[in-house]
Amino acid sequence: QSVLTQPPSASGTPGQRVTISCSGSSSNIGSNTVNWYQQLPGTAPKLLIYSNNQRPSGVPDRFSGSKSGTSASLAISGLQSEDEADYYCAAWDDSLNGPGVVFGGGTKLTVL
Amino acid sequence: QVQLQESGPGLVKPSQTLSLTCTVSGGSISSGSYYWSWIRQPAGKGLEWIGRIYTSGSTNYNPSLKSRVTISVDTSKNQFSLKLSSVTAADTAVYYCARDQLSWFDPWGQGTLVTVSS
Repeated sequence: QSVLTQPPSASGTPGQRVTISCSGSSSNIGSNTVNWYQQLPGTAPKLLIYSNNQRPSGVPDRFSGSKSGTSASLAISGLQSEDEADYYCAAWDDSLNGPGVVFGGGTKLTVL
Repeated sequence: QVQLQESGPGLVKPSQTLSLTCTVSGGSISSGSYYWSWIRQPAGKGLEWIGRIYTSGSTNYNPSLKSRVTISVDTSKNQFSLKLSSVTAADTAVYYCARDQLSWFDPWGQGTLVTVSS
């Protein structure tokens, strides 16, 4: 059971726009920034979005992030076949049990 | 640019201690305001943050693993290390090291598979 909640799967056709949600609580998304990672099959995760909506150098502007309250979203426009991957959200959690980074369970994106 | 590479035994016996090292190249582990993190991923499952260290030695650990985890840094070798004690089959996973800037991870190492089995 992951601290952040993502849909297990999402799909779209080439050229379409898809969004992936990430739901948390006041101790994580509600009070800290959200980061997104893309994991292509058989590879290490790669930073896709940081600080809610910032793209690292080299990430296409087809990828965008947003946050509102205790939820965040990743949007992919102009879907391409190479976008087929697992996507994870993450945030710092100020838990009383001990602060740390928490991840969503991941969303498998299929390009139909 | 900075690159990270994990190394260590691929097979560990149950109840023993898992030990991994992450070597940082292309830059000094002491430069910049970075933490250095370990993250793991069981086969077919999601990512789990294990913990992190600052070059001063300050650490944060995942509360669920805290009693078994030690992360250390050797700035002279540009390395940081993970020790996970009393391992069980549930600790079998691909272990990644990553540079941690304000809790976002970039870059990541390629990952190393550690299997816990007798």
